[in-house]
Amino acid sequence: DVKVTQSSRYLVKRTGEKVFLECVQDMDHENMFWYRQDPGLGLRLIYFSYDVKMKEKGDIPEGYSVSREKKERFSLILESASTNQTSMYLCASSLLRNGGNTEAFFGQGTRLTVV
Amino acid sequence: GENVEQHPSTLSVQEGDSAVIKCTYSDSASNYFPWYKQELGKGPQLIIDIRSNVGEKKDQRIAVTLNKTAKHFSLHITETQPEDSAVYFCAASPYNTDKLIFGTGTRLQVFP
Repeated sequence: DVKVTQSSRYLVKRTGEKVFLECVQDMDHENMFWYRQDPGLGLRLIYFSYDVKMKEKGDIPEGYSVSREKKERFSLILESASTNQTSMYLCASSLLRNGGNTEAFFGQGTRLTVV
Repeated sequence: GENVEQHPSTLSVQEGDSAVIKCTYSDSASNYFPWYKQELGKGPQLIIDIRSNVGEKKDQRIAVTLNKTAKHFSLHITETQPEDSAVYFCAASPYNTDKLIFGTGTRLQVFP
């Protein structure tokens, strides 16, 4: 069974802290994504990666960075957490296939609260 | 860039009735349109998808239609059941990327 695992279901952090959200997939997928989910706004893409050490900005990258040192692991970093980053964060992965998109598999999400 | 609008935001139906969720997209070059279902406490899961060279696709009680000219696509669920209750997201993928741009979601409630 395919799996995308996010390291925490719930996190509470203080304003100004550096926060790491970890995601691991066991499907040997090339693509990995970080989204945040907010009520009424759907899923918004923060960053994505097509390969190890490669990253591209999504629609809302401000205040975030990412790291992909190994193919199976994609980390989202909040350099200095702020209350407006309180949200549900979803990691996803998909297979890179020439000529067409493939199914994205999502983790269960990390609900981050910044106080 | 691509923008996806989704309606309605909430939908309540009686068990056995049909449910329809509609999405529009802005980038005419987008060529892949998946639908995801998110149950409480879980990540979204793909339920059906359609590519731009196809007008309709069915999988048992679920169907998706695509009108490329109007840049519309819709999810149709027939004979709804209580376990269909969830949040549904449409998405579009711009040409030659693996990015997915999501709609804002529809909360579907099916009453027994």
